[in-house]
Amino acid sequence: GAVVSQHPSRVICKSGTSVKIECRSLDFQATTMFWYRQFPKQSLMLMATSNEGSKATYEQGVEKDKFLINHASLTLSTLTVTSAHPEDSSFYICSARDFGGTGELFFGEGSRLTVL
Amino acid sequence: QKEVEQDPGPLSVPEGAIVSLNCTYSNSAFQYFMWYRQYSRKGPELLMYTYSSGNKEDGRFTAQVDKSSKYISLFIRDSQPSDSATYLCAMSFGGYQKVTFGIGTKLQVIP
Repeated sequence: GAVVSQHPSRVICKSGTSVKIECRSLDFQATTMFWYRQFPKQSLMLMATSNEGSKATYEQGVEKDKFLINHASLTLSTLTVTSAHPEDSSFYICSARDFGGTGELFFGEGSRLTVL
Repeated sequence: QKEVEQDPGPLSVPEGAIVSLNCTYSNSAFQYFMWYRQYSRKGPELLMYTYSSGNKEDGRFTAQVDKSSKYISLFIRDSQPSDSATYLCAMSFGGYQKVTFGIGTKLQVIP
């Protein structure tokens, strides 16, 4: 099946710094990618929908200035957590829909962010 | 009220048992129903995808949807230790619309 690669898988940073997470669709073009956040014992929460070549669409309550999303190509979307704080520590997962194939939603492996 | 309700478990069963995982939902507009499996510290992977009421079978897995009761189930036959994971139900209004997830049920299959 299609593969979505996410990098880094784990990152530890100091409070106040910015962290960038990459999401790549390896064998299909993804005009739309999705960014989720998952807290322990909670469901996946959709943060934003990333659209290639245009601005991301953020879900209610998600700070667009804090979570910068860039979808510059059909295979790459990035999420930058700006001025990270300990409460931003979480598991971030991206996904991409293979519109050209089955339409299935494929997920990356996730990125564990720890802000000290 | 959450849109999708799912018992987080944990659920422990002996190897070979039949496992029943369930979700209820409140919005009758949901039309597409999915089950994902998520291993620890990994992204979810799609197991089953259905859009009509009734049963869909794939190997040891059977997905069941009852739209009148707003209730979906996943059955795992002859459960294996490798089935130990968190199972998330998910649903959407349309085939390509955003997906809403349940909290996930943690399953442990004991050898």
